[in-house]
Amino acid sequence: GQNIDQPTEMTATEGAIVQINCTYQTSGFNGLFWYQQHAGEAPTFLSYNVLDGLEEKGRFSSFLSRSKGYSYLLLKELQMKDSASYLCAVEDSNYQLIWGAGTKLIIKP
Amino acid sequence: IAGITQAPTSQILAAGRRMTLRCTQDMRHNAMYWYRQDLGLGLRLIHYSNTAGTTGKGEVPDGYSVSRANTDDFPLTLASAVPSQTSVYFCASSPLAGGNNEQFFGPGTRLTVL
Repeated sequence: GQNIDQPTEMTATEGAIVQINCTYQTSGFNGLFWYQQHAGEAPTFLSYNVLDGLEEKGRFSSFLSRSKGYSYLLLKELQMKDSASYLCAVEDSNYQLIWGAGTKLIIKP
Repeated sequence: IAGITQAPTSQILAAGRRMTLRCTQDMRHNAMYWYRQDLGLGLRLIHYSNTAGTTGKGEVPDGYSVSRANTDDFPLTLASAVPSQTSVYFCASSPLAGGNNEQFFGPGTRLTVL
C-alpha cells in the first residue's frame, strides 16, 4: 500500500526553529512536495524535492533522502503567521500526488 | 478572474440529490484535479484530467463524475449524494501533469449532505 506519515501536531516558539518530518512508502517516486495550509484556506506550494539533499528557500528548507523514504521541512525564525498545517505529498509512478494527513504547527509567543 | 475559482463556497444538500461543483481556471493549465479533504486524512484524489478532453479516476472516484470539455472548466458531479460525501472539496490545476509542476488550489467548497 501507499503511506505517508507525518506527526499530527507540533508546537514551537516564535523565533525558534522547527523540523517537520515526513516518511513515505509509495509505488514509485517522482518527487516530494511540501504545501502550507492555513485553517479554512487552500493549500499553497512551498517546495519540491526530487534529488537527495537540501533545498533552501528563504526561511524554509526541505530535505530529501530517497533511500530512506524520508523528508523534512525546516522552518527558521518562526513567525506567528507560520501557524498552519504543513502537508507532505509524494508523486507516485502514475504522476499522482499521495498526501499525508498534515502536521498542525502551533506557534507560541 | 485570476487563478482558480470554485462555486459554490458552501452547500447543504439533501441525500439523494444531484449536485455539480464548479471549477474554473484562467491560467491555461493543462492538468486539473478534484480532491476531497476530511479531518484526520490527507487530501484524496477523486478524478483528474491531464488535458482537455481526457479524464481519469483517482483514489476515491465512486459516486463522482467529471467532464473536461475545454481547458478552463472541470465540473464535479455527485449523481446522488450520500452523507459520506460530506467533505471539503478542492479543485486544483497545474501547467502539466507530473514532475516539478506545482498544483494551484481553488478556495474549496464545503459540502454537507444530510
